[in-house]
Amino acid sequence: KNQVEQSPQSLIILEGKNCTLQCNYTVSPFSNLRWYKQDTGRGPVSLTIMTFSENTKSNGRYTATLDADTKQSSLHITASQLSDSASYICVVSLGSSNTGKLIFGQGTTLQVKP
Amino acid sequence: DAGVIQSPRHEVTEMGQEVTLRCKPISGHDYLFWYRQTMMRGLELLIYFNNNVPIDDSGMPEDRFSAKMPNASFSTLKIQPSEPRDSAVYFCATNRGMASEAFFGQGTRLTVV
Repeated sequence: KNQVEQSPQSLIILEGKNCTLQCNYTVSPFSNLRWYKQDTGRGPVSLTIMTFSENTKSNGRYTATLDADTKQSSLHITASQLSDSASYICVVSLGSSNTGKLIFGQGTTLQVKP
Repeated sequence: DAGVIQSPRHEVTEMGQEVTLRCKPISGHDYLFWYRQTMMRGLELLIYFNNNVPIDDSGMPEDRFSAKMPNASFSTLKIQPSEPRDSAVYFCATNRGMASEAFFGQGTRLTVV
């Protein structure tokens, strides 16, 4: 069964600290993996997109890694800020030719406290 | 560009009524997606279009749901008749090319009472 599982479900950290969110998937075949940030009451915003041949991709203080062999991805947030408080969603694209079928994780809710 | 524009932002309707959600994609984007988000099920893909043509509607929950894209600058998602379990936030997203970044609208929060 094609699934995307994220952990932890929720996380609270202090401002300035680093954190790492995990994503495990069983989607096959797989074309790309995306991380989105969703602020409360708003639509998701893309952070990174990685194909199976990419191991890491950065977007400012956000760094995503991908291990296609173990089917694991992580999103590392450096020097967290209050504005990082949001849900982070891992999404895997099913199919070898970008068919459009996306499998969504349930998200990790991050709260950054001052 | 103003981004993906959805309307209305909020909709409250009575069970049995017809509901129409609207989406204006970013100019030049050739893919348009409709998603539904609930606390229980997270984000679910309902249907997507490529160059105004529906490609995959396997996520549409039942016949009460229908979507159209009459031209490159407009799409609708219709629920007829609506039921309380349809209450959710409905997002429209568009891409330029399937593998590129998807841009989401602000969503329509639908409440069916």
